[in-house]
Amino acid sequence: DTAVSQTPKYLVTQMGNDKSIKCEQNLGHDTMYWYKQDSKKFLKIMFSYNNKELIINETVPNRFSPKSPDKAHLNLHINSLELGDSAVYFCASSHPSGGIYEQYFGPGTRLTVT
Amino acid sequence: AQTVTQSQPEMSVQEAETVTLSCTYDTSENNYYLFWYKQPPSRQMILVIRQEAYKQQNATENRFSVNFQKAAKSFSLKISDSQLGDTAMYFCAFMGRWNTGNQFYFGTGTSLTVIP
Repeated sequence: DTAVSQTPKYLVTQMGNDKSIKCEQNLGHDTMYWYKQDSKKFLKIMFSYNNKELIINETVPNRFSPKSPDKAHLNLHINSLELGDSAVYFCASSHPSGGIYEQYFGPGTRLTVT
Repeated sequence: AQTVTQSQPEMSVQEAETVTLSCTYDTSENNYYLFWYKQPPSRQMILVIRQEAYKQQNATENRFSVNFQKAAKSFSLKISDSQLGDTAMYFCAFMGRWNTGNQFYFGTGTSLTVIP
């Protein structure tokens, strides 16, 4: 009965590789997000999707691309991984149209680039 | 741009005592929401409490309460009867509502340790 799930929880890969992180929410929310948390625990929003439409796109490298096949999924694809991409990535969802403004977070994916 | 400031990187409190975590924010908006999130060592982000800016009454959730001062743009979290399980990183967050959508901004966090 997990609300927001992410796979994988841990990902170790080499520089230059391409990887994807999957996110699914079963809450019926209409907006999903991706965050990056660096080693100092600072949380930075990367993307948000509302009904399959990108509505916020912070200044992240274009090597990062969100893909949303449907309202319940928002996957993060990363091309040509770099050492600086090592971080914990969180998926989250909310339902503003239903008055639910707080975000519900997934368990996070720890990405380590070697 | 909106900013959220948490001026206390680390804090500690004795078990059963009360502690207050501070948060200030900067915005020109009138319609917004404020949140406190908790991130224990498991790294799961957990919502602790939320406050709507249009409500004057301070939100409370069991041992957690806020002191919301809209004019001062201050949103502090009070934890009463601290428990060992309260040990975590606490993040203050601001959500503004714009035509382009809702935008979230997080503070840099306060690491709270509850001492037995």
